[in-house]
Amino acid sequence: KNQVEQSPQSLIILEGKNCTLQCNYTVSPFSNLRWYKQDTGRGPVSLTIMTFSENTKSNGRYTATLDADTKQSSLHITASQLSDSASYICVVSGYNFNKFYFGSGTKLNVKP
Amino acid sequence: EAQVTQNPRYLITVTGKKLTVTCSQNMNHEYMSWYRQDPGLGLRQIYYSMNVEVTDKGDVPEGYKVSRKEKRNFPLILESPSPNQTSLYFCASSSVGPGGEQYFGPGTRLTVT
Repeated sequence: KNQVEQSPQSLIILEGKNCTLQCNYTVSPFSNLRWYKQDTGRGPVSLTIMTFSENTKSNGRYTATLDADTKQSSLHITASQLSDSASYICVVSGYNFNKFYFGSGTKLNVKP
Repeated sequence: EAQVTQNPRYLITVTGKKLTVTCSQNMNHEYMSWYRQDPGLGLRQIYYSMNVEVTDKGDVPEGYKVSRKEKRNFPLILESPSPNQTSLYFCASSSVGPGGEQYFGPGTRLTVT
């Protein structure tokens, strides 16, 4: 069964600190993995997209890594800001790259 | 401005009363998709469309219909809504291909009583 698991479910950090979110998946064969940021009540916004041949991708203070052998990905946020408070969703596509499997997200709360 | 729009944003209806949620994009994207988001379950794909007149089921298509008569529009139809379809619905669009970035609409919060 194609599944995407994220951990932790929720996380509280202090402003300025770094954090890492995890994503494990069983989707096979694998096409690409995406990380999204979703503010409460709004649509998700894309942060990174990685295909199986890429093992790291950055977007400002966000850096995603991918290990396609172990089927694991992480999203590292550097020098967190209050505006980083949101849910972060890991999304994986398989052979049919237009069919998407979503993790249930990690809810990040950055406190001053 | 590149965007995906959905209407209505909020809807309260009663069981069995047919409704349509519209979705429109202005980016000339071939691919469009509908998702529902429920607490603890994350986003789940309902239907998607690769191009005009081409649609396919996602993971949770039961109780929903879609049509793609024009490239820019992808309406979601609930012929006979039931309370278990109470959810937050998102439409998204992207160019076709594994690297196509998906753009999401603002969401439609549907309550079926």
